[in-house]
Amino acid sequence: GAGVSQSPRYKVAKRGQDVALRCDPISGHVSLFWYQQALGQGPEFLTYFQNEAQLDKSGLPSDRFFAERPEGSVSTLKIQRTQKEDSAVYLCASSYPSPGTQYFGPGTRLLVL
Amino acid sequence: GQQVMQIPQYQHVQEGEDFTTYCNSSTTLSNIQWYKQRPGGHPVFLIQLVKSGEVKKQKRLTFQFGEAKKNSSLHITATQTTDVGTYFCAGYNAGNNRKLIWGLGTSLAVNP
Repeated sequence: GAGVSQSPRYKVAKRGQDVALRCDPISGHVSLFWYQQALGQGPEFLTYFQNEAQLDKSGLPSDRFFAERPEGSVSTLKIQRTQKEDSAVYLCASSYPSPGTQYFGPGTRLLVL
Repeated sequence: GQQVMQIPQYQHVQEGEDFTTYCNSSTTLSNIQWYKQRPGGHPVFLIQLVKSGEVKKQKRLTFQFGEAKKNSSLHITATQTTDVGTYFCAGYNAGNNRKLIWGLGTSLAVNP
């Protein structure tokens, strides 16, 4: 594809609701990253995939956060029982190879009420 | 843990003035990258520096990587309103090429 795409672009959830955020990386990109960016802050690393393998999930803030990339392309970040503090922009980036330039998607802006 | 500090946090300049943001890591970096994020946008890659003491230029932007590979700077000459945004440095730890460690960014405002 032309770039990294993410959906939905905006999501409003009620506290306690589960959400699923999707990332379509650039075709052929081996590495995929998820970041959380709070307002006025830099991106905070959440997790990293190389193909379908999740090699680093040290940044996931709690066990309510789960990410998968079953076929090594599209990835989904799932947040269970959302809390207000989960409100942020969730950015997905892909690269080939890693380390290398990371190409970011537009992000999903999540607001938990 | 490893930290990347970035200063200043905010900078207001008059159009035509120069601007510099500095990035310092607590540990040696294998490389450093710079990204620009426009308001409401997502980070966009600007450049990567790999070699100790490396200097790269992109038109009015000059990027430097320190000799010890622990610090870096971005200098913009004669700022324009199109330079508005937040500039982030991000580096890979010399021992871990999987996780980019990001600075908090410097937000640049340019008055016309």
